[in-house]
Amino acid sequence: AQSVAQPEDQVNVAEGNPLTVKCTYSVSGNPYLFWYVQYPNRGLQFLLKYITGDNLVKGSYGFEAEFNKSQTSFHLKKPSALVSDSALYFCAVRDRRGSQGNLIFGKGTKLSVKP
Amino acid sequence: GAGVSQSPSNKVTEKGKDVELRCDPISGHTALYWYRQSLGQGLEFLIYFQGNSAPDKSGLPSDRFSAERTGGSVSTLTIQRTQQEDSAVYLCASREAAGSNTGELFFGEGSRLTVL
Repeated sequence: AQSVAQPEDQVNVAEGNPLTVKCTYSVSGNPYLFWYVQYPNRGLQFLLKYITGDNLVKGSYGFEAEFNKSQTSFHLKKPSALVSDSALYFCAVRDRRGSQGNLIFGKGTKLSVKP
Repeated sequence: GAGVSQSPSNKVTEKGKDVELRCDPISGHTALYWYRQSLGQGLEFLIYFQGNSAPDKSGLPSDRFSAERTGGSVSTLTIQRTQQEDSAVYLCASREAAGSNTGELFFGEGSRLTVL
């Protein structure tokens, strides 16, 4: 069965500092991995995805994530956090062997960036 | 519009009543998903439609929940005899699914359901 774990319910960082939001996954095959962001009272917005190739993927708003197969992780990072990055972040996985295309989401991590 | 459209944005109902939530996906997207987002629970998969294939209903929590997708476009999620635990935000998403599973989902802004 597919699953995603986001071990931190909340991450607090100061503006200008680097940020990391952690994600680990479990799939029986090779994964497709995604990060989404949700601002208050809004739907989810796509940030970035790993499909194949370079393990470091870059996405919207200066975010990047690194796929680590041995650690089954896909942590989200940004070199310098902004107050406007404060939001709820979701990691998601899809087993590339499946034909359904369903995405399984983690429970989300609330990122709070203080000035 | 260019995005996924959901209606109503907010719905307050009384316990025991039926509700219908509507989703209008992005034009040309063949895959459509319903998720439920409860406070502190993340996103819970409900149902998935892909073209003319039989839908994946494996996430529906009870037989009070059902969904249809007419003409491969608009979808309606119906909750019968609503209970207080059905209170949540119901999110719809669509994906351009032709050929591969690599595409991302595009989400609507959700329908917030409150059952009194």
